[in-house]
Amino acid sequence: DAKTTQPTSMDCAEGRAANLPCNHSTISGNEYVYWYRQIHSQGPQYIIHGLKNNETNEMASLIITEDRKSSTLILPHATLRDTAVYYCIVRHSGGYQKVTFGIGTKLQVIP
Amino acid sequence: NAGVTQTPKFQVLKTGQSMTLQCAQDMNHEYMSWYRQDPGMGLRLIHYSVGAGITDQGEVPNGYNVSRSTTEDFPLRLLSAAPSQTSVYFCASSYSRGATYEQYFGPGTRLTVT
Repeated sequence: DAKTTQPTSMDCAEGRAANLPCNHSTISGNEYVYWYRQIHSQGPQYIIHGLKNNETNEMASLIITEDRKSSTLILPHATLRDTAVYYCIVRHSGGYQKVTFGIGTKLQVIP
Repeated sequence: NAGVTQTPKFQVLKTGQSMTLQCAQDMNHEYMSWYRQDPGMGLRLIHYSVGAGITDQGEVPNGYNVSRSTTEDFPLRLLSAAPSQTSVYFCASSYSRGATYEQYFGPGTRLTVT
């Protein structure tokens, strides 16, 4: 599976858009990009996933570059409750796979 | 649905003691996994199961046993606790339908081994 690289930490002002980048330069054609987040002391929570098209749901938007080597998770109006560690994961579709949760990006939303 | 439940929430063990961390899910998910998370680190996979009666090792399986006799339950056994097993343990269940692969995590068990 492709490995991912994320910044260790980021700050964002409350009410502004939070843009969290992820590099996955070795991603293969049938691998999807998934995002999870972990709010302090809780288990990780699924946010969104995509293959090559931009995706949006009630929580966030996912922008994947045309060459698919990087992506950005966008929280359009960050709130204090969005303070969490965000994980970017790459995996194939179908079946069970050993998913690696790296260190992720610690997003601090500032009042 | 209760989702993924884990018991206990907190546990303190002495070195050498054994115990079982319980995990149950009511979503009829075929896959279940155990992870540990040490301070400032990501989650590392301990063991996983792709169905009742089928288990396999993850990244850090030593010192842990699992079994999956039913779809719902996936207990993790610590055979002889060591201080290095002090960690937060998360159980997760998941399913795979085409491109969709969501893991649902439990609230975690915080284990301290003295």
